[in-house]
Amino acid sequence: EVQLVESGGGLVQPGGSLRLSCAASGFIFSSYWMHWVRQGPGKGLVWVSRIDSDGISTVYADSVKGRFTMSRDNGKNTLYLQMNSLRAEDTAVYYCARILPGIWSGYDYWGQGTLVTVSS
Amino acid sequence: EIVLTQSPGTLSLSPGERVTLSCRASQSVRNNYLAWYQQTPGQAPRLLIYGASTRATGIPDRFSGSGSGTDFALTITRLETEDFAVYYCQQYVGPPHTFGQGTNLEIK
Repeated sequence: EVQLVESGGGLVQPGGSLRLSCAASGFIFSSYWMHWVRQGPGKGLVWVSRIDSDGISTVYADSVKGRFTMSRDNGKNTLYLQMNSLRAEDTAVYYCARILPGIWSGYDYWGQGTLVTVSS
Repeated sequence: EIVLTQSPGTLSLSPGERVTLSCRASQSVRNNYLAWYQQTPGQAPRLLIYGASTRATGIPDRFSGSGSGTDFALTITRLETEDFAVYYCQQYVGPPHTFGQGTNLEIK
């Protein structure tokens, strides 16, 4: 069974840092590109970042560029999002999701999400 | 960046009715890399349609996607109670993989 399980969310002060993790199981993690998507309270879905299968190429939304860093450890089947210089507007549920390159069949599995709250 | 505009923002319908949701892109979506997701409160999004018209695994055939270029639609025939949710379109041509603002389908 495919599973994506996020962790690491919590309450952090403005300017602080947090590292999110997404543990993958039930599929060949190293074959998939992975994404982070966030959803503010009562808001819609917003794409945050993407990493390729090997972890070599990353792309970020303008709103997080220079503050967030996405990485992966294919040996541990785990995806990460290092979030620095956090702002109130980063408050959201953060989801990890996968897509299979070459097939491009959308984000077919998502984690359950982890809540990040940035507040003093 | 491709901007996706969904309409309407909210729809109030009854079970058994048919509905069509619209998603318009600010520029052509290459290769029809357009997906539809369903989200119920407190849950992660669920992939319904990819490639504009291909149903994802396990999705009932009352859901169908159509369109190409800049105009796309999601149709649900014979609404069931569990279909009342928020629906998002997304383009995955190239980053950023933008989402529409969502259509809230509520029970009348």
